[in-house]
Amino acid sequence: DTAVSQTPKYLVTQMGNDKSIKCEQNLGHDTMYWYKQDSKKFLKIMFSYNNKELIINETVPNRFSPKSPDKAHLNLHINSLELGDSAVYFCASTSAGGYTDTQYFGPGTRLTVL
Amino acid sequence: GNSVTQMEGPVTLSEEAFLTINCTYTATGYPSLFWYVQYPGEGLQLLLKATKADDKGSNKGFEATYRKETTSFHLEKGSVQVSDSAVYFCALSDRSSNTGKLIFGQGTTLQVKP
Repeated sequence: DTAVSQTPKYLVTQMGNDKSIKCEQNLGHDTMYWYKQDSKKFLKIMFSYNNKELIINETVPNRFSPKSPDKAHLNLHINSLELGDSAVYFCASTSAGGYTDTQYFGPGTRLTVL
Repeated sequence: GNSVTQMEGPVTLSEEAFLTINCTYTATGYPSLFWYVQYPGEGLQLLLKATKADDKGSNKGFEATYRKETTSFHLEKGSVQVSDSAVYFCALSDRSSNTGKLIFGQGTTLQVKP
């Protein structure tokens, strides 16, 4: 059983389009995250939700909007895609979101903006 | 602010060689420290962690000790295998904010040759 799943795995789209990435976890966790990994493999936090409440919102363009319909799902919608948005996006979850907790990552979504 | 610095890669070793990947951190207070591993085409998975000073994390032959005096968390393995080829990320999670937000180092690529 997949613990943290993401769809789609690959996403190729044109500049200016709007796209969404979905994430689901079946671990019963309360906290979920979105990370962006750039072409040099550097990882940076974007957002975090705890029980559907936004708790982390890093300096991310407001073209990016996370949505958590329930605590098992965290989606990422991106408006007006730009070339610089090309990256691998990882979803992660953790039980309570505390500083000692292990995060469980999804397989990633590779977004390519042409 | 909080940050993590890892040694530059790539690191290329022969099978059964000794591995060290250096990691140092800057943080206010005493964070939790993690090593995550990313195998080709996959998401990250926890390799080991330590949540307080002098703790040693270990897993699959890898070890790292939380050294407060040198603000370090170096990863070691006595005898690497080809299957250890991956990207290794050192990360910290800040105790004071306690959101579980991970701050990553830049990653170190390890290639093990037979």
